[in-house]
Order: sequence, then structure tokens, then C-alpha cells
Amino acid sequence: AQKVTQAQTEISVVEKEDVTLDCVYETRDTTYYLFWYKQPPSGELVFLIRRNSFDEQNEISGRYSWNFQKSTSSFNFTITASQVVDSAVYFCALSDGMDTGRRALTFGSGTRLQVQP
Amino acid sequence: DAGITQSPRHKVTETGTPVTLRCHQTENHRYMYWYRQDPGHGLRLIHYSYGVKDTDKGEVSDGYSVSRSKTEDFLLTLESATSSQTSVYFCAISEGGGSYEQYFGPGTRLTVT
Repeated sequence: AQKVTQAQTEISVVEKEDVTLDCVYETRDTTYYLFWYKQPPSGELVFLIRRNSFDEQNEISGRYSWNFQKSTSSFNFTITASQVVDSAVYFCALSDGMDTGRRALTFGSGTRLQVQP
Repeated sequence: DAGITQSPRHKVTETGTPVTLRCHQTENHRYMYWYRQDPGHGLRLIHYSYGVKDTDKGEVSDGYSVSRSKTEDFLLTLESATSSQTSVYFCAISEGGGSYEQYFGPGTRLTVT
């Protein structure tokens, strides 16, 4: 069975600090995707990034960066120079294997990030 | 933003009554999913659909049924609601092919009293 662990339940930082959200996953599949979603206080789920298991290059998008390490089954998310608008719950998710037909996602329990002004 | 709507957005119902939640998409995506979100559990898959009239169970399907008679609509039914089904329900869609990302609807907050 697949599993995603986000050990940090809640993180509080002061604006402009850097913060890293941890994600560790378990899967027996050899090909899969990893995702991060953001859930702001308004409640919607916003897709942030997809990373496939073949590609271990780090990715940067503005203040956001992602570090995927297959050897440690981790897919961590860093926000640089955090802002109040980054306050949200962040979910890491793992797809079913690419050779299955289901394509469902297994989610971690989420990390609540509070950025104080 | 993906065109996904859910109705109703909020519902309060009594234990033992049937409830149907609707998910409607305008993206013509092949895959549709129902998840529930509960504190400490993230989102958990209830049922999913991989085409019209093609559905299957997820990890927490007990007490729920689904139907998909048209590409754009995916219905989730609680045959006899229980208090343990109080939750926020999210519908998601995915295009298929090489695209695995899922786009979510706004959610339905269901309270069973």
C-alpha cells in the first residue's frame, strides 16, 4: 500500500523567513508522480507542481523550489522569503503507478503553514 | 482554472437519510474522483471513474455509491447517511493520457446530525 508522510503538522514562521515542508513517501511502483497542492484558508485545493519519478532535477518557480530525492523517497518543498499569502495547508501526494489504470492520488495529512507579519 | 462545480456547497442532513452530491465538469476530462477530507487524514479516495459508466472503489468506499451517466457529471450518493460521514467532499478531474494531475472542485461541506 502506498503511503505519504508529512511529519510536520504545523509550522509557524515570520515573514521573509525561508521554510521547508517535508514529504516522505512509500511505494512499490517504479514509475509514479509526486505532487504538491496548496489549500488556502478559503478551502480550495490548488495544484502547485508535478514531478515524475524519472526526473530528479530540482525545480524552482519564483520563491518556490522542490527537491526530489528518490534514494530517500523524499519530495520536499521550500518557500524562500515567505509571505503572509503563503499561509495555507500544503499537501504532498503520490500517484498510483503509471502502469496501473487507476491514476488516483494518495495524500499526506498536510502541513499547516502560518506566516506571521 | 478547470471548470468544476459541486452542488450543493453546504448541506445539513439527518442520520439515515439519503444524500446525493453532484460534481459537474466542463473540461471533457476522462477521469473523475471523489475524495473526503477529514482533520488529520488529508484527502482519502472514495470512488473514481475512468469513463462513462466505468467506476471503481477507493479506500473508503463503504456506505457510498457513485454513478456516471455522462462525461460531465459524477454523482456521489450516501444511501443512509451516518455521523461518521460528516466531512468535506471534494471532486477532482484528470484529463488522462500523459496528464496525471488532478484539478479539484470547491468542495461540499456535509454535516450529518
